[in-house]
Amino acid sequence: GQNIDQPTEMTATEGAIVQINCTYQTSGFNGLFWYQQHAGEAPTFLSYNVLDGLEEKGRFSSFLSRSKGYSYLLLKELQMKDSASYLCAVMDSNYQLIWGAGTKLIIKP
Amino acid sequence: ETGVTQSPTHLIKTRGQQVTLRCSSQSGHNTVSWYQQALGQGPQFIFQYYREEENGRGNFPPRFSGLQFPNYSSELNVNALELDDSALYLCASSLFPGLNEQFFGPGTRLTVL
Repeated sequence: GQNIDQPTEMTATEGAIVQINCTYQTSGFNGLFWYQQHAGEAPTFLSYNVLDGLEEKGRFSSFLSRSKGYSYLLLKELQMKDSASYLCAVMDSNYQLIWGAGTKLIIKP
Repeated sequence: ETGVTQSPTHLIKTRGQQVTLRCSSQSGHNTVSWYQQALGQGPQFIFQYYREEENGRGNFPPRFSGLQFPNYSSELNVNALELDDSALYLCASSLFPGLNEQFFGPGTRLTVL
């Protein structure tokens, strides 16, 4: 079966750095996405990785290791507005997005 | 350029009823995907439409059906509603199926009593 695992909840301090991990087992791989979702709102796109390595975009970076079925999202200089759920999703061989349950990130002052 | 819109925002139905949810894709996008997101869970893929044809379907029963119109807007129909159908229904559009970033609408919150 297809499976995406990520921690249920994480807590971090404003101004700090946090890493949210995601492991996956899917039928085929056509890229991994990270989305941010504030409570009651739609997901918004953060990053896309299809090759191994690190993609940096401002305060957010995403890493992928296809051989390990592993990705992480790194958030630097945390702000209170970063409190949200972070969803990891993999596009499988049928070009369908398989989603994790999301990691709820709580930022404390 | 307008983003993805969905209607209605909220909806309350009773078991056994039928519901139609609507989605207007972002300008220039010909692909629409529908997702069901239960509280505290990630979205689950329902189906995708590309140029008015179904282009992939997730593990949902036939009472979940859809349409895409020539202007690429889309409908999701659910018959014989069950309590477990209560969820946020998300529509996402993209330039074409496959690797492109998907842009999500604000969702429709469906409550089945």
